[in-house]
Amino acid sequence: EAGVTQFPSHSVIEKGQTVTLRCDPISGHDNLYWYRRVMGKEIKFLLHFVKESKQDESGMPNNRFLAERTGGTYSTLKVQPAELEDSGVYFCASSQGSGFRYEQYFGPGTRLTVT
Amino acid sequence: DQQVKQNSPSLSVQEGRISILNCDYTNSMFDYFLWYKKYPAEGPTFLISISSIKDKNEDGRFTVFLNKSAKHLSLHIVPSQPGDSAVYFCAAIGTTSGTYKYIFGTGTRLKVLA
Repeated sequence: EAGVTQFPSHSVIEKGQTVTLRCDPISGHDNLYWYRRVMGKEIKFLLHFVKESKQDESGMPNNRFLAERTGGTYSTLKVQPAELEDSGVYFCASSQGSGFRYEQYFGPGTRLTVT
Repeated sequence: DQQVKQNSPSLSVQEGRISILNCDYTNSMFDYFLWYKKYPAEGPTFLISISSIKDKNEDGRFTVFLNKSAKHLSLHIVPSQPGDSAVYFCAAIGTTSGTYKYIFGTGTRLKVLA
């Protein structure tokens, strides 16, 4: 069974540019999460999809970030325009259900560097 | 305002000895805790968990202890092996709006010396 995949693995962009990160969850996982880790800090929750609906987007930093999950399969996270403080590793995770019993499986992350 | 804290950024242990990684939390409403392990260039992978109704959970070389009154948990690895060298994240599950989101600490980098 394929795990969670993320593309690209690394992106370097200039301040003011736009970047789109993609996440493909494990097949059949309705729940998809985005997290971000700024260097040396905690892995921080951004948002949670159940199928194509946003269940919780309380962790999204501001309106420069837009997450979508059309069709309830893969998800994209767009940053527009990017700022220096957006640099970090963006992780996607998926789970079969939402609850204590359901482990979240993480992708390898996309390292975003904004210069 | 960090709700889950790992105050030791790094730890070095000799192979075969015990590794003890610590984690503190502030929210007494947390019901469930997990440890994730992360190798470079990979995503975090689940290691072990514990419910707040227990004070210990064991899985092979890994044991997690929970002290609810102190809001403290620890991960013990015995015996430590070089392959255990990784960053270990403690996480609590917080629930809001029907979301079971993970609230992570900053991680502890464990180095097991051969």
